[in-house]
Amino acid sequence: LAKTTQPISMDSYEGQEVNITCSHNNIATNDYITWYQQFPSQGPRFIIQGYKTKVTNEVASLFIPADRKSSTLSLPRVSLSDTAVYYCLVGGSLSGGYQKVTFGTGTKLQVIP
Amino acid sequence: GAVVSQHPSWVICKSGTSVKIECRSLDFQATTMFWYRQFPKQSLMLMATSNEGSKATYEQGVEKDKFLINHASLTLSTLTVTSAHPEDSSFYICSAREEGVSGANVLTFGAGSRLTVL
Repeated sequence: LAKTTQPISMDSYEGQEVNITCSHNNIATNDYITWYQQFPSQGPRFIIQGYKTKVTNEVASLFIPADRKSSTLSLPRVSLSDTAVYYCLVGGSLSGGYQKVTFGTGTKLQVIP
Repeated sequence: GAVVSQHPSWVICKSGTSVKIECRSLDFQATTMFWYRQFPKQSLMLMATSNEGSKATYEQGVEKDKFLINHASLTLSTLTVTSAHPEDSSFYICSAREEGVSGANVLTFGAGSRLTVL
């Protein structure tokens, strides 16, 4: 499984756009990039997944450069409720088969009023 | 969307007793479920992969005799912490993958179970 590297923590003011970058130099051809959000004392929640270029949903955008060795999760206009830990995961299979999902250290985002 | 229910959400037990945590996929079938443990201010650590109808696959360093996993049906997996000790106090989280959903890393997680061993 490809190892990921993320900043340990980030601070942002309310209303700002937040970009969290994840490095995954050893990403394999069949790997997807997936981001989860976790609030204290809760299970993680799926945010977004992508394979290449850009993916956008109602919550966030995911930017993936052509070499796929990194990815950036973009949260538009964060609010206090976005304070959480964000995990970047790499793995999976294009065929839909599964791999065990292991978590890295994550990025603790603190949104400041 | 897919929902995973975990019960109990918190439990306090005496040292030496056993505790069972249930993980249910409410609106989908899950042939595979995963159990994680999370200590304060740390990331999730995968403990084992629970396979319906067969033995669980444990990660290195996880005692299979201490953390018993049973996946008797397509919607239920249980984790039993046997002879619990204070060092087993942690946040236990289960997850399940909805079959047929594209993207192997898309898991639905339960809300977690806080175990405190006195």
